[in-house]
Amino acid sequence: AQTVTQSQPEMSVQEAETVTLSCTYDTSENNYYLFWYKQPPSRQMILVIRQEAYKQQNATENRFSVNFQKAAKSFSLKISDSQLGDTAMYFCAFMKHAGNQFYFGTGTSLTVIP
Amino acid sequence: NAGVTQTPKFQVLKTGQSMTLQCAQDMNHNSMYWYRQDPGMGLRLIYYSASEGTTDKGEVPNGYNVSRLNKREFSLRLESAAPSQTSVYFCASSGGQPTDTQYFGPGTRLTVL
Repeated sequence: AQTVTQSQPEMSVQEAETVTLSCTYDTSENNYYLFWYKQPPSRQMILVIRQEAYKQQNATENRFSVNFQKAAKSFSLKISDSQLGDTAMYFCAFMKHAGNQFYFGTGTSLTVIP
Repeated sequence: NAGVTQTPKFQVLKTGQSMTLQCAQDMNHNSMYWYRQDPGMGLRLIYYSASEGTTDKGEVPNGYNVSRLNKREFSLRLESAAPSQTSVYFCASSGGQPTDTQYFGPGTRLTVL
């Protein structure tokens, strides 16, 4: 079974600062995908960034980047130049290479303080 | 494109009542999914449909049934609602490959009294 752990229930960051959200996972799979999703108060789930496990290079999307440590089974999200619109719940998720099912962590509530 | 739409947005049921949550997507996606989200937890997969005409159980299927009516629509039915099914329900769709983004609907908040 796959498990995803987010050990930080809540975090806050000053506007324009950088924040890192942690995620660890447990799997016996070798090929898989990792995701960060954002859920603002509107409840819509929005894909932030995706990492393929066989790629060593860390994924980046504008102000969002990940630190993927496969051996340590760690997948943290770094948000640079935090903006008020980044305030949301952030979910880390895992998917097997040959699967359709996401396994989500319990989420981190991020508040950006003006 | 409307993306993924869900109806209703809110619903209150009494224990034992039945209802169907509707989901539709206009992105010509092959795969569709139903999740539930409970306080303090991430989304958990109830059922999914990898392609039209197929459905499979996810992590928490008990108490639910699904129908993939056609490529666009995927409904979730609660035959006899229980308070434990109070949750927010999300529908999602994707092209079907793991590298394809899952697009989520706005959610349905269901309360069972």
